[in-house]
Amino acid sequence: GAVVSQHPSWVICKSGTSVKIECRSLDFQATTMFWYRQFPKQSLMLMATSNEGSKATYEQGVEKDKFLINHASLTLSTLTVTSAHPEDSSFYICSARDSLAGGRNTQYFGPGTRLTVL
Amino acid sequence: QKEVEQDPGPLSVPEGAIVSLNCTYSNSAFQYFMWYRQYSRKGPELLMYTYSSGNKEDGRFTAQVDKSSKYISLFIRDSQPSDSATYLCAMTLQGGSEKLVFGKGTKLTVNP
Repeated sequence: GAVVSQHPSWVICKSGTSVKIECRSLDFQATTMFWYRQFPKQSLMLMATSNEGSKATYEQGVEKDKFLINHASLTLSTLTVTSAHPEDSSFYICSARDSLAGGRNTQYFGPGTRLTVL
Repeated sequence: QKEVEQDPGPLSVPEGAIVSLNCTYSNSAFQYFMWYRQYSRKGPELLMYTYSSGNKEDGRFTAQVDKSSKYISLFIRDSQPSDSATYLCAMTLQGGSEKLVFGKGTKLTVNP
């Protein structure tokens, strides 16, 4: 159980274009999902917290107009990188918290999406 | 000082060795402690989850939390080449929707 999928797993795009990444919880409901970015040999850096039916909460230094997050259902959150630039190239990982887990803050991670902006 | 400190390694051990991985932290309010395993170009996989101080064992893995020292450990017994991965510690203040704070990760290689 507790499987999180991401699509696409790998994307290459031209500078200036927008890229949408999907994160799905396959066998549980997730009122809260998290988006992380990971640069090579670095740890995961939280970008934003996505709450179903409400606006996302962005971490300091993350541009909300550049990284658009939509959490329209209990099993799907999307991250759109708008007007992507080469410095946005990174490994983007989502995680989802099981809504029925009670007080236990267990996050299940997706396999990640590698974005390369040319 | 970073909130969570973790030696990035790399750490290389022979098959069958006992591996000890550690993190220290500065915020005494952290209550929940986790260890994740991440293979190259994959998302992290939850290995161990502990609340407050104490030990937790699951198969070859043992997690220890010492809140008085702000120190957590993960021990791997009878290490296998398949254990080769990056191990990330993570912690959070409370349950619910609190965000996780991660260490940098320790890259482990178990040599056959």
